[in-house]
Amino acid sequence: QSVLTQPPSASGTPGQRVTISCSGSRSNIGSNYVCWYQQLPGTAPKVLIYKNNQRASGVPDRFSGSKSGTSASLAISGLRSEDEAAYYCAAWDDNLSSLIFGAGTNLTVL
Amino acid sequence: QVRLQESGPGLVKPSQTLSLTCTVSGDSINAGLYFWSWTRHLPGKGLEWIGYVHHSGDTYFNPSLRSRITMSADTSKNELSLKMRSLTAADAAVYYCARGIYGGSSYYLDQWGQGVRVTVSS
Repeated sequence: QSVLTQPPSASGTPGQRVTISCSGSRSNIGSNYVCWYQQLPGTAPKVLIYKNNQRASGVPDRFSGSKSGTSASLAISGLRSEDEAAYYCAAWDDNLSSLIFGAGTNLTVL
Repeated sequence: QVRLQESGPGLVKPSQTLSLTCTVSGDSINAGLYFWSWTRHLPGKGLEWIGYVHHSGDTYFNPSLRSRITMSADTSKNELSLKMRSLTAADAAVYYCARGIYGGSSYYLDQWGQGVRVTVSS
């Protein structure tokens, strides 16, 4: 069971806006920056968002991140078929002294 | 454009040691900003961070794996290495090396290798 809690799945139709949540605690999200990774099937993870809301180079502005307290969210607007992937949140955990990942959310574009 | 390429045996016997190499091109591992990381994707369990190594030789490991891990950086070859001892079936995964950027309360992995699949079986 991951320290960062994500919904196992999410879905949306093309053009919709989808939000993926990531819930943690004071020792991780509450104290440190959150980042988000996208993993397309059969490929390596790719950073989308770092420092809570900063888009990585080349990431479309359809992707946005936010953080409030001990929770964070990734929003994808104008959903496209190529967005179908697994999405992971991550943050440093001060108690575990380790980088931790959420279990991932599988996004389906209907 | 930085490129990372993992290499190593795809099959390791239980109780043996896994040795992986990550060859970095397009960037120098000597660049002081970076903390080069190893992460694995466990089947059905998601991503698990293993640890990082700095070009200075400083290392930091996931406490749950610390007793079994060695990491090093060879600046002359621009290569990183990971050794994990006493392997069990639970260590079967896709292993990735990645470039890590650390600053303040932020640590993220901005460039990843394609990964190498490791199976543990006799």
